[in-house]
Amino acid sequence: AQRVTQPEKLLSVFKGAPVELKCNYSYSGSPELFWYVQYSRQRLQLLLRHISRESIKGFTADLNKGETSFHLKKPFAQEEDSAMYYCALAPRAGTALIFGKGTTLSVSS
Amino acid sequence: GAGVSQSPRYKVAKRGQDVALRCDPISGHVSLFWYQQALGQGPEFLTYFQNEAQLDKSGLPSDRFFAERPEGSVSTLKIQRTQQEDSAVYLCASRGGGPYEQYFGPGTRLTVT
Repeated sequence: AQRVTQPEKLLSVFKGAPVELKCNYSYSGSPELFWYVQYSRQRLQLLLRHISRESIKGFTADLNKGETSFHLKKPFAQEEDSAMYYCALAPRAGTALIFGKGTTLSVSS
Repeated sequence: GAGVSQSPRYKVAKRGQDVALRCDPISGHVSLFWYQQALGQGPEFLTYFQNEAQLDKSGLPSDRFFAERPEGSVSTLKIQRTQQEDSAVYLCASRGGGPYEQYFGPGTRLTVT
């Protein structure tokens, strides 16, 4: 079955600390992987996608096919990074997304 | 330009009532998706349109749920005889041609009492 697992419901860190939000997926194939973010009182928006191999707002994510993981990392967290983060999978390009349950990131000073 | 809009933003329905939720996608976007997000969960796929064709409705939880996009633009998600378990945020997303990102609307929060 296709599934995305985000094991942490809440991650609390101090400003300037490194952040890693975990994401594991279950899919027999080569899916597209995404990270979406939802800031307070805003809509869900794309943060990054694995095929772009880019860094957005200091965040990066590497697809590890062997471990079927797509963890989101940032070396130095900022307070404005506080939000809900969802990992998502698309079985094929352009298809519907399968989301994890989300991780709330709280960055305090 | 305008993003995806949804209306109403909030809807309270008594159990057994019918509701209709509207989605206005980004102009020119071919693909439109509906998702259901229960409290504390990630969004879950309901149905998918390409232009006016409903290509996938495998996520609709029961035959009380019906979606349409008659002119390939605005879409309506209808829920008949609402039940308490239908309480959720209903998200609409649209995507342009090709494997581009999905743009989400603000959602409609449905509460069934």
